Amino acid sequence: AQSVTQLDSHVSVSEGTPVLLRCNYSSSYSPSLFWYVQHPNKGLQLLLKYTSAATLVKGINGFEAEFKKSETSFHLTKPSAHMSDAAEYFCVVSERGGYQKVTFGTGTKLQVIP
Amino acid sequence: DSGVTQTPKHLITATGQRVTLRCSPRSGDLSVYWYQQSLDQGLQFLIQYYNGEERAKGNILERFSAQQFPDLHSELNLSSLELGDSALYFCASSVVTGGDTGELFFGEGSRLTVL
Repeated sequence: AQSVTQLDSHVSVSEGTPVLLRCNYSSSYSPSLFWYVQHPNKGLQLLLKYTSAATLVKGINGFEAEFKKSETSFHLTKPSAHMSDAAEYFCVVSERGGYQKVTFGTGTKLQVIP
Repeated sequence: DSGVTQTPKHLITATGQRVTLRCSPRSGDLSVYWYQQSLDQGLQFLIQYYNGEERAKGNILERFSAQQFPDLHSELNLSSLELGDSALYFCASSVVTGGDTGELFFGEGSRLTVL
């Protein structure tokens, strides 16, 4: 069985300060892990993905995530928040197999205060 | 542009009616997923098809049904609509082969409003 827990439903940061969105997962297999971003009234866009290569993954718009197997975590970070980062972020785990099982976290809404 | 096409983008209908949402996956993607997103329920997985066969079912109501056709496009049918069915319906596709990374590619969604 697999699951994803996003530890914060809402995060508020000031513009120019660091962003940390937390995600813990469980999986019976070696998973692929993803972060997606959704801006208001838009579809979901892939930010970054981990697929068993480098544990520090760089994504678009300055975001990074580090896969920590011992902690079963895949937290999303950005050194300096921008107003355009205000959106909802989803952590996703995928188990590859005959048909690929995908599990979404419940989402974290990021508010950026000017 | 993700390569996943959903139609219609917006749909307004009345309670009790039936609608069909259509999804064309990325070229070569065999797997299609349907999700419902509403303000109170968040993002809910409905159903997954792989190469024409149903592979996984989530929180899909009996009033809803879906299928994937031989050309790999998919349709989500919603019947006996209720006010609570108003939501954004997303389709996503993925390759799902031995070497793929499991990434989902999302369409822009179909916004359904039931009055």
